[in-house]
Amino acid sequence: AQKITQTQPGMFVQEKEAVTLDCTYDTSDPSYGLFWYKQPSSGEMIFLIYQGSYDQQNATEGRYSLNFQKARKSANLVISASQLGDSAMYFCAMREGLRRGGMLTFGGGTRLMVKP
Amino acid sequence: DADVTQTPRNRITKTGKRIMLECSQTKGHDRMYWYRQDPGLGLRLIYYSFDVKDINKGEISDGYSVSRQAQAKFSLSLESAIPNQTALYFCATRDINEQFFGPGTRLTVL
Repeated sequence: AQKITQTQPGMFVQEKEAVTLDCTYDTSDPSYGLFWYKQPSSGEMIFLIYQGSYDQQNATEGRYSLNFQKARKSANLVISASQLGDSAMYFCAMREGLRRGGMLTFGGGTRLMVKP
Repeated sequence: DADVTQTPRNRITKTGKRIMLECSQTKGHDRMYWYRQDPGLGLRLIYYSFDVKDINKGEISDGYSVSRQAQAKFSLSLESAIPNQTALYFCATRDINEQFFGPGTRLTVL
């Protein structure tokens, strides 16, 4: 079974509007972390936001917030006031706390396109 | 200067050639990783290392080998490159709540 699922291969959003990118995850580990990365066309992986499984509040970083619904095992990324520079691939990833190594497992990504 | 560097940034090679991708970090982290990204897909783990004496296979290690020459250096080798190893390769290090990625190496095997 897929550990990280991103069901939206591609999305359009109008500039200045908010957009939600979906991510669901699957783990039996009580301790885990969820990450979102942005990958522009230049290829680098840019860290956006982190949510720990024990965090009581949803993570926020500037225009990015993570809508963490633990019971539903979802960790959706919300981008407020979209900008043209937000056009990129977005990846959700998970690190499972009890799994030796601390590596990340990635979803397939969502391509976001911001329209002027 | 970048915290995680990779060389080369781009490489075109031929089937059967041996190639090494190098990664260096200045963050002082013990844990280092090599990931591979195929077009339109997420990253998959090739190898990871906790220190110079602790190297572990990841999800897709077949056809690859690694060397941890020092805490700061972690190299990935393709002993005999094949076309389906054409991909974008990322090195990463780990902090408590974040992985720091290098800029990537775009490898093409003809």
